[in-house]
Amino acid sequence: GQNIDQPTEMTATEGAIVQINCTYQTSGFNGLFWYQQHAGEAPTFLSYNVLDGLEEKGRFSSFLSRSKGYSYLLLKELQMKDSASYLCAVRDSNYQLIWGAGTKLIIKP
Amino acid sequence: IAGITQAPTSQILAAGRRMTLRCTQDMRHNAMYWYRQDLGLGLRLIHYSNTAGTTGKGEVPDGYSVSRANTDDFPLTLASAVPSQTSVYFCASSEKAGGPPDTQYFGPGTRLTVL
Repeated sequence: GQNIDQPTEMTATEGAIVQINCTYQTSGFNGLFWYQQHAGEAPTFLSYNVLDGLEEKGRFSSFLSRSKGYSYLLLKELQMKDSASYLCAVRDSNYQLIWGAGTKLIIKP
Repeated sequence: IAGITQAPTSQILAAGRRMTLRCTQDMRHNAMYWYRQDLGLGLRLIHYSNTAGTTGKGEVPDGYSVSRANTDDFPLTLASAVPSQTSVYFCASSEKAGGPPDTQYFGPGTRLTVL
């Protein structure tokens, strides 16, 4: 079967750095996405990785290792507004997105 | 403002009733999707459409139907609602122009409760 694993919940302090991990086992791989979802709102696109390595976009970076079936999202200089759920999704061989259950990130002052 | 709209925002429905959730996008995206999101589970694909006039089944299609008469609209119908269909429903769209990343963009969601 297909599986995306993420921690259920993480807590971090304002101004700090946090790394959210995602491991996957899917039938084929055609890219990995990270989305942010604030409570009661729609998911919004953060990043896309298809090749191994680090993609940096402002305070957010995303890393991919295809051989290990592993990705992480790195958030720097955490702000209170970063409190949200972070969803990892993999596009499989049928070009459908398989979603993880999401990691709820709690930021404390 | 360009984007995706969904209606209604929320609905309480008696079991056995028929319900259509509406989704409209004005980005001229080729592909559209319906997902449900339940606590503790990832988004699960119900149905999708790669282009107007075509539809396909996702991971959890039973009890749901869709149509895609034009590019902009992609309604989801529950023919006879059951309590297990209580969920938050998200509509999404993507350009599907053939190249990556073909990012999906989401509507605000419909919170549906079936009693």
